[in-house]
Amino acid sequence: GIQVEQSPPDLILQEGANSTLRCNFSDSVNNLQWFHQNPWGQLINLFYIPSGTKQNGRLSATTVATERYSLLYISSSQTTDSGVYFCAKGGGATNKLIFGTGTLLAVQP
Amino acid sequence: DGGITQSPKYLFRKEGQNVTLSCEQNLNHDAMYWYRQDPGQGLRLIYYSQIVNDFQKGDIAEGYSVSREKKESFPLTVTSAQKNPTAFYLCASSIVGTAYEQYFGPGTRLTVT
Repeated sequence: GIQVEQSPPDLILQEGANSTLRCNFSDSVNNLQWFHQNPWGQLINLFYIPSGTKQNGRLSATTVATERYSLLYISSSQTTDSGVYFCAKGGGATNKLIFGTGTLLAVQP
Repeated sequence: DGGITQSPKYLFRKEGQNVTLSCEQNLNHDAMYWYRQDPGQGLRLIYYSQIVNDFQKGDIAEGYSVSREKKESFPLTVTSAQKNPTAFYLCASSIVGTAYEQYFGPGTRLTVT
């Protein structure tokens, strides 16, 4: 079955709006990462967050491992936030990552 | 600056040719990974290595081969046996273990015609 499920698949925002992206995952996790893929394809690490809450500027993330979900919050969105946001879970001896299909975010001026 | 480099950024090949993608890291990481991304999709694991001279198949290894002769380098060869080689290829590295953050290179876009 699907191991990592992201929602919504697409999101359009006006500049300045807030948003919440969700990641549901099956099984327990040792590693949960959020990435932003920019228009050139580069994957930028946003958070390593197997549990708890972290904040970095306008972005924050929360993982509730016992309920198998993680949330990424983007506040006061800017056009440079546009791109695809991926959640990926890892685990087991290899630490290989299993990716969701992403949320495509478009922030309009 | 520590990081992961991949070359070339774009690569064009004719069907039936093997092609090798380069991945180098100076993060002193023991574990390295190759992922493939198709349009509109997430990444899928091709091969991974946790130590020099050792590597394992990931979820979609057919038609690919790797080597790990040096800690810093993990080249990927896309062989003519790979049925759909056109894709975006990303290399990653991390500390060995069950729960360490992975870092990615800028990727190589391969087009085979």
